Amino acid sequence: EDQVTQSPEALRLQEGESSSLNCSYTVSGLRGLFWYRQDPGKGPEFLFTLYSAGEEKEKERLKATLTKKESFLHITAPKPEDSATYLCAVQETGRRALTFGSGTRLQVQP
Amino acid sequence: NAGVMQNPRHLVRRRGQEARLRCSPMKGHSHVYWYRQLPEEGLKFMVYLQKENIIDESGMPKERFSAEFPKEGPSILRIQQVVRGDSAAYFCASSPLPGAYNEQFFGPGTRLTVL
Repeated sequence: EDQVTQSPEALRLQEGESSSLNCSYTVSGLRGLFWYRQDPGKGPEFLFTLYSAGEEKEKERLKATLTKKESFLHITAPKPEDSATYLCAVQETGRRALTFGSGTRLQVQP
Repeated sequence: NAGVMQNPRHLVRRRGQEARLRCSPMKGHSHVYWYRQLPEEGLKFMVYLQKENIIDESGMPKERFSAEFPKEGPSILRIQQVVRGDSAAYFCASSPLPGAYNEQFFGPGTRLTVL
């Protein structure tokens, strides 16, 4: 059974204080690993898809990386508007369903 | 707005009533997925549909829940005889034809409250 574990559960940063969120996964065959952002009361917003170990993708202050066992979401010089829950999900080869982790609640204080 | 649309955004039902949740995928998308987010829990896959076909319903509860995606109109998630444990946020996502890229784009969700 696919498993996705995200850490930490919650993270509080000062504005400008860079950090990383972790997503470790167990899947029989990885089709893709997805990062989403979710604001309170809203649906998940797509950020990145990673397909193979060593792959990296960037968007503004966010960079996602992938190894064979985990993915990191690096946040460089965060701003208060980056405060949200960040969700990691895996898609197993041959299936379309996403298996989500429980998320990391990020709070960036000014 | 070409995003995934869900309605209603909030739905209140009494125990034993039926709930119908609607989802219109993004323009050009022909695949729909339903997920449920229980309070203090993560998103859980329920069902994956194409037009007029259920492809994967491995996450659907065996009783009271059904889903359809007709040739015309939105996808419907139907919950019969709701119970308090059905209270959750239900999210729909859509994707284009399957291929090398499999991003799923989510709607704003329907928050179901069962009294």
